[in-house]
Amino acid sequence: GQSLEQPSEVTAVEGAIVQINCTYQTSGFYGLSWYQQHDGGAPTFLSYNALDGLEETGRFSSFLSRSDSYGYLLLQELQMKDSASYFCAVWGSQGNLIFGKGTKLSVKP
Amino acid sequence: KAGVTQTPRYLIKTRGQQVTLSCSPISGHRSVSWYQQTPGQGLQFLFEYFSETQRNKGNFPGRFSGRQFSNSRSEMNVSTLELGDSALYLCASSFPDRGVSGANVLTFGAGSRLTVL
Repeated sequence: GQSLEQPSEVTAVEGAIVQINCTYQTSGFYGLSWYQQHDGGAPTFLSYNALDGLEETGRFSSFLSRSDSYGYLLLQELQMKDSASYFCAVWGSQGNLIFGKGTKLSVKP
Repeated sequence: KAGVTQTPRYLIKTRGQQVTLSCSPISGHRSVSWYQQTPGQGLQFLFEYFSETQRNKGNFPGRFSGRQFSNSRSEMNVSTLELGDSALYLCASSFPDRGVSGANVLTFGAGSRLTVL
């Protein structure tokens, strides 16, 4: 089957850098995705890695190592508005997106 | 471009009742997926519809069902509600069809929050 592990909570201060790790187990791999969800809001797509390496999109970067079944989301220059839950996700063998249980990021002033 | 619209946003039901939730995908999106989100279990896949056909189904009991119409709008139904069905039900649409690259992006609606008393 497929499963993803990520920390349940992370706390950081404004302006800092935070890394949210994700390890996965899957039969057949079609890339690692990251979604952000603010309290009361809808999950929104952040990034996708199909190949090893770092993908950068503004303050956010996502990394993948397929040999280690591991990825991370890096958030730089943290802002209060980055307080949210972050989910890593992989495509399952049935063609559905399988999500980790999410990491709740709290950004303190 | 309008996003994914889910109705109703909030609803309260009692045990044993049934509920129908609606989802209107982004125009042009033909795939609609449904997820249940709870604090303990996170986002769990219910089912996916494409061109009016259920293409995938998660591990939920038969009380959970859905359908998709010719205009890609989708509904899900939960019969004989139980307390444990209290959750946020999220609908997501995508285009193009999940390609071999796996880079398909899901666009979620704001969800329907169901409370079962």
